[in-house]
Amino acid sequence: DAGVIQSPRHEVTEMGQEVTLRCKPISGHDYLFWYRQTMMRGLELLIYFNNNVPIDDSGMPEDRFSAKMPNASFSTLKIQPSEPRDSAVYFCASSSTGTGSGYTFGSGTRLTVV
Amino acid sequence: GQSLEQPSEVTAVEGAIVQINCTYQTSGFYGLSWYQQHDGGAPTFLSYNALDGLEETGRFSSFLSRSDSYGYLLLQELQMKDSASYFCAVRDITNAGKSTFGDGTTLTVKP
Repeated sequence: DAGVIQSPRHEVTEMGQEVTLRCKPISGHDYLFWYRQTMMRGLELLIYFNNNVPIDDSGMPEDRFSAKMPNASFSTLKIQPSEPRDSAVYFCASSSTGTGSGYTFGSGTRLTVV
Repeated sequence: GQSLEQPSEVTAVEGAIVQINCTYQTSGFYGLSWYQQHDGGAPTFLSYNALDGLEETGRFSSFLSRSDSYGYLLLQELQMKDSASYFCAVRDITNAGKSTFGDGTTLTVKP
């Protein structure tokens, strides 16, 4: 398996623009997570899905953020409109049901909003 | 809810042994996990303790004591490549998909 695949690796956008981050989880994993990492706030869970269904989106900072998982092999995180404070590294991770299995993280998307 | 505390920084020399502690407050969890993250990279899963005791994987070992709400990651025969951030995490027992991560410990290995 190629692991969790995220795109793009880097994104620079202007304030107010829409940003879409993409993620392909590991085949067979039934959990998908979106995390945001900054120096100030560390790793923050934004939202997670189980079997394509959103389970907990309490970490989504504002209505400007939305996430979808239309099928088991694809998820998107959208920010509209983007703001400079959204600048961070966004990680997608997937895991299987067994509680002993760890998360496999993608390489992340480094988002810079100017 | 869950909260975890780790030291922010640890420094050690090559070949030495270092222990990174993690204390937690939780309403219930399945186990304690550890992740490694190199600068500019993604977190990678290292180990998982479901039960009390020591789990060994090569040069790395992880320990859990539920009665003390405490765990640690032990790194032996330190190498320069071990310089990274290390995160402990707990998987919520009431929300089994969800893990909460500590703020991470930055390990610097010096020659």
